[in-house]
Amino acid sequence: SQQGEEDPQALSIQEGENATMNCSYKTSINNLQWYRQNSGRGLVHLILIRSNEREKHSGRLRVTLDTSKKSSSLLITASRAADTASYFCATVANTGNQFYFGTGTSLTVIP
Amino acid sequence: DTGVSQDPRHKITKRGQNVTFRCDPISEHNRLYWYRQTLGQGPEFLTYFQNEAQLEKSRLLSDRFSAERPKGSFSTLEIQRTEQGDSAMYLCASSHRLGTSGKIAKNIQYFGAGTRLSVL
Repeated sequence: SQQGEEDPQALSIQEGENATMNCSYKTSINNLQWYRQNSGRGLVHLILIRSNEREKHSGRLRVTLDTSKKSSSLLITASRAADTASYFCATVANTGNQFYFGTGTSLTVIP
Repeated sequence: DTGVSQDPRHKITKRGQNVTFRCDPISEHNRLYWYRQTLGQGPEFLTYFQNEAQLEKSRLLSDRFSAERPKGSFSTLEIQRTEQGDSAMYLCASSHRLGTSGKIAKNIQYFGAGTRLSVL
C-alpha cells in the first residue's frame, strides 16, 4: 500500500492565487520529496526536505515538514496556468531503498 | 526530457499475450526503479536494481512479472500472460546510489515518460 496521502485530492484556483497541498505519512522517514506530473507524462522532482529540516524554499515553492505529526505541506505562490498538474509527495525510508508515493493532488490553475 | 527513456510509449495487447518494456536510465545512475501507476493514483513500487542486482521486489510483482538489468545499464520488464488488470502506466526511474558514508546525499529519482499498457 502507498505510504502517503495527499489532501485535497483536487484543487482549482485562479491564476495568481496561492495553492497549498498537504501530505500525511505513516512511518519514520529519512527525507520527503515532492514531484509533479503533467498528464500522461513521467514525474519531475521539485524539492527535497530532510527529516531534520522544518522548512525549505525553492523559487515559488515552499515546503514544510512536521515529523511529530508525520505531515508535510507544499505551497506554490503566485500560481500560473502552467502549474496545472498532479503533485505527489514521496517518502524515503532511512534505508533509502524505496520511495513511497502518495495518491496525489490534482491542481488546476485557471487563467 | 529527464534523460530516462522508455520504449514503447504505448502498447496495446490482447489478454494472454506477453509484453516487454525497455528502460534506458541516465548513464551514470546505478539505481533503476520500476513503478506501476493506475489512473488517479500515485506510482506503486514494483522493483529496483543497483547495477545489475535486483535488490528488492514488491508483493505486487506476481510471478508473471520479471525484470532484468543484465549489464547494469538498460532494463527490461516483461509481463507474461497479460490480464486486463495489468492495464496501467509503467514508469521507470533512475537515481544515484547512497554515498559511501551511508548517507543519502541526493537520492532524487529521474523518471521516464512511461509506457502505457492496454490489455484488451
